[in-house]
Amino acid sequence: QPVLTQSPSASASLGASVKLTCTLSSGHSNNDIAWHQQQPEKGPRYLMKVNSDGSHIKGDGIPDRFSGSSSGAERYLTISGLQSDDEADYYCQTWGSGTVAFGGGTKLTVL
Amino acid sequence: QVQLVESGGGVVQPGRSLRLSCAASGFTFSSFPMHWVRQAPGKGLEWVAVISYDGSHKYYADSVKGRFSISRDNSKSTLYLEMNSLAAEDTAVYYCARQAVPGIWLNDYWGQGTLVIVSS
Repeated sequence: QPVLTQSPSASASLGASVKLTCTLSSGHSNNDIAWHQQQPEKGPRYLMKVNSDGSHIKGDGIPDRFSGSSSGAERYLTISGLQSDDEADYYCQTWGSGTVAFGGGTKLTVL
Repeated sequence: QVQLVESGGGVVQPGRSLRLSCAASGFTFSSFPMHWVRQAPGKGLEWVAVISYDGSHKYYADSVKGRFSISRDNSKSTLYLEMNSLAAEDTAVYYCARQAVPGIWLNDYWGQGTLVIVSS
């Protein structure tokens, strides 16, 4: 089954941009993934689906500041014009063969 | 608007059972597969189980297979998770989540979660 790898932490300044990475394990480099945001003490919020071809489909109400892309086994979430409430944990998710996998999450700090 | 509200969490002794519920509203519940996902304190998300729109197909994570059972009552727009033989490692916030479309097991709406603490 697939394994997703994320850096544990990232940081960027208010108003800047940040690119988070989710890496798919060997044999699963063509998987599509989803990105979810989890603000402190809240349930996760679906952001978007990122396809292996680099296209992405955002969830309801997700601002244009959030975008997705892909390269090989890596899937990216880019957040531009960082705001204070973007400070959150970000998880990638994939699925297949009767199971679902989540990455370990990246804690984003907005400086 | 889509709403998912979990309930039934609490403190339970090791080896005992607990049933969680998830009340859905704002969409046609009977048309969507549904998932349970959990999060241990300070840890990441862990998928638990999925049930098809009509309840005919169910899949479980290895960590809960044989102990947990997912079910649904479409007449009540409610999802359930029956948890048996609970152990300390089952301590977590349990979220129900809607699956966006058939065949693509991503979750597009999540509840706020209910906390289960397994402790003597």
